[in-house]
Amino acid sequence: QKEVEQNSGPLSVPEGAIASLNCTYSDRVSQSFFWYRQYSGKSPELIMSIYSNGDKEDGRFTAQLNKASQYVSLLIRDSQPSDSATYLCAVSHREGAQKLVFGQGTRLTINP
Amino acid sequence: SAVISQKPSRDICQRGTSLTIQCQVDSQVTMMFWYRQQPGQSLTLIATANQGSEATYESGFVIDKFPISRPNLTFSTLTVSNMSPEDSSIYLCSVEFAGGHSSTDTQYFGPGTRLTVL
Repeated sequence: QKEVEQNSGPLSVPEGAIASLNCTYSDRVSQSFFWYRQYSGKSPELIMSIYSNGDKEDGRFTAQLNKASQYVSLLIRDSQPSDSATYLCAVSHREGAQKLVFGQGTRLTINP
Repeated sequence: SAVISQKPSRDICQRGTSLTIQCQVDSQVTMMFWYRQQPGQSLTLIATANQGSEATYESGFVIDKFPISRPNLTFSTLTVSNMSPEDSSIYLCSVEFAGGHSSTDTQYFGPGTRLTVL
């Protein structure tokens, strides 16, 4: 079992709809969780970080963490074609980003 | 965050040679990391570059193959030694910045070095 699992997609969402990206992790000692967006040929850029159970909102993005069920999700509201990218879930075993373990990424396509 | 640069941005190398990749940050950082992203794959941590001491390598990566230097708090190098086609990847450096109150430390990536080994 991979430590961090994501559905590789592709996930296709119509423009203006909500895109929902999910990630599960296997190690219960994981403490910090991150979502990165990676456009083709570019390096990952940080979208959201979360370390407490519940929801964290930043503009059109909402990260949700449920440590009991060991999953973290990212919701993108009012999806735009510019949101089309691969979204990487990353997990750290400590408070902070050291030694990130990445999932395989979910390829998201927003259809105009 | 800060500005992170890497050199070279890409290179094509012959089998058996070595390439040194540089990572420069425009502010002092404690933690710097090196990752590899093989074609169509996600990121895998190679090592943590420690300032003033040897790098800490992850399982499957060894110093002889990936020697790392960290001479100061703004600079690090990764060398890919005795290259083979299997080393063709994107190599990324990253730095960690401390989060503020109610925010966790976060890691930011450089633009990457795309390496092709023939």
